[in-house]
Amino acid sequence: QSALTQPASVSGSPGQSITISCTGTSSDVGSYNYVSWYQQHPGKAPKLMLYDVTNRPSGVSDRFSGSKSGNTASLTISGLQAEDEAVYYCCSYTSSSTLELFGGGTKLTVL
Amino acid sequence: EVQLVESGGGLVQPGGSLRLSCAASGFTFSSYWMAWVRQAPGKGLEWVGNIKEDGSDKYYGDSVKGRLTISRDNAKNSLYLQMNSLRVEDTAVYYCVRDMGWHQFDYWGQGTLVTVSS
Repeated sequence: QSALTQPASVSGSPGQSITISCTGTSSDVGSYNYVSWYQQHPGKAPKLMLYDVTNRPSGVSDRFSGSKSGNTASLTISGLQAEDEAVYYCCSYTSSSTLELFGGGTKLTVL
Repeated sequence: EVQLVESGGGLVQPGGSLRLSCAASGFTFSSYWMAWVRQAPGKGLEWVGNIKEDGSDKYYGDSVKGRLTISRDNAKNSLYLQMNSLRVEDTAVYYCVRDMGWHQFDYWGQGTLVTVSS
């Protein structure tokens, strides 16, 4: 099964808001609220930013929020800061044999 | 503080074997599903597989079924990944991760690099 579809890159200026989309199918994003988002800085391990579509782990800024509509989940970052520059990956449980799908990753550039 | 520390990576020839280990601390290891996620150089993330709290159930991604085996030793707070019949495309950083439920990963190790090359 193909990976979830994310834009390769997005950009925004400090203080602005951006949204990263993550499109799947009715076998994954569309059927389950088990969508998570990860932030990865160069040379570092990924960090969980959102789980169950909208929930933030303790310690994650409330500037990060999530939503889902149909087969597409979205990550919104408000009040962009330089430290938000990273690659973001979405992930979803799937009923297919592979059980788990990641998106290809979106490079966020803070201008 | 939750810590996951991988070890065992290195250079191996195609067709060879390698065993990765992950030492867990700072939480009740036996109460969590655990998983391995890998990342090829310059590429995205790929779920390798996971294992139930007591080791009784294991699931694998399609690309590694039959070649990679996950196990755990709850007495030693350790997770393992036995890698056999390795291919060049298995070259990646392998992360040990804690599964908080439904394939969502709240803690990650620093990763260990496996290079499959002749």
